[in-house]
Amino acid sequence: AQKVTQAQTEISVVEKEDVTLDCVYETRDTTYYLFWYKQPPSGELVFLIRRNSFDEQNEISGRYSWNFQKSTSSFNFTITASQVVDSAVYFCALSLKPEGKSTFGDGTTLTVKP
Amino acid sequence: KAGVTQTPRYLIKTRGQQVTLSCSPISGHRSVSWYQQTPGQGLQFLFEYFSETQRNKGNFPGRFSGRQFSNSRSEMNVSTLELGDSALYLCASSLLKAGTGASYEQYFGPGTRLTVT
Repeated sequence: AQKVTQAQTEISVVEKEDVTLDCVYETRDTTYYLFWYKQPPSGELVFLIRRNSFDEQNEISGRYSWNFQKSTSSFNFTITASQVVDSAVYFCALSLKPEGKSTFGDGTTLTVKP
Repeated sequence: KAGVTQTPRYLIKTRGQQVTLSCSPISGHRSVSWYQQTPGQGLQFLFEYFSETQRNKGNFPGRFSGRQFSNSRSEMNVSTLELGDSALYLCASSLLKAGTGASYEQYFGPGTRLTVT
């Protein structure tokens, strides 16, 4: 069985601060996919990134960056220079396939204050 | 390109009733997955359909069922509703690459918020 743990339930920062959201996963499979999603108050999950287990290269996309470390089973997400619009619930998820049947963490609620 | 649409957006039902939720995937997407989101249990996978066939199923009782039509639109049905079925039901669609089974990312709809009283 797969498990995703997001230990941080809520994080509050002031605008322009950097913030890192932690994600630790468990799986016995050697091939798996990790995801991050953003869920704004409107409720719609927005895909942010997908990483497969064979690609440990870190990725940067604008103010977003992801650090994937298989040695610690972690897939952390950093927002640089946070903005109020970043306020949302962020979910980390794991799947044995590129699509469908994802196991989600409980989510981290990020509040960015002006 | 239109996104994933779900209808209705909000629904109030009484315990014991049944309900049908609808999901229209992005045009060209043939894989549809359903999730239940509640404050207590978080996001949980319900089932996944591809080409009208259920490919995966989560750990939900038989009261939860679904189907997919030839145009890839999907419905999920919950019979004999219980108070605990109150949740946000999310649908996601994916585009599968022909021949490989691999796909692009899942695109989620806005969800249907079901309240059971």
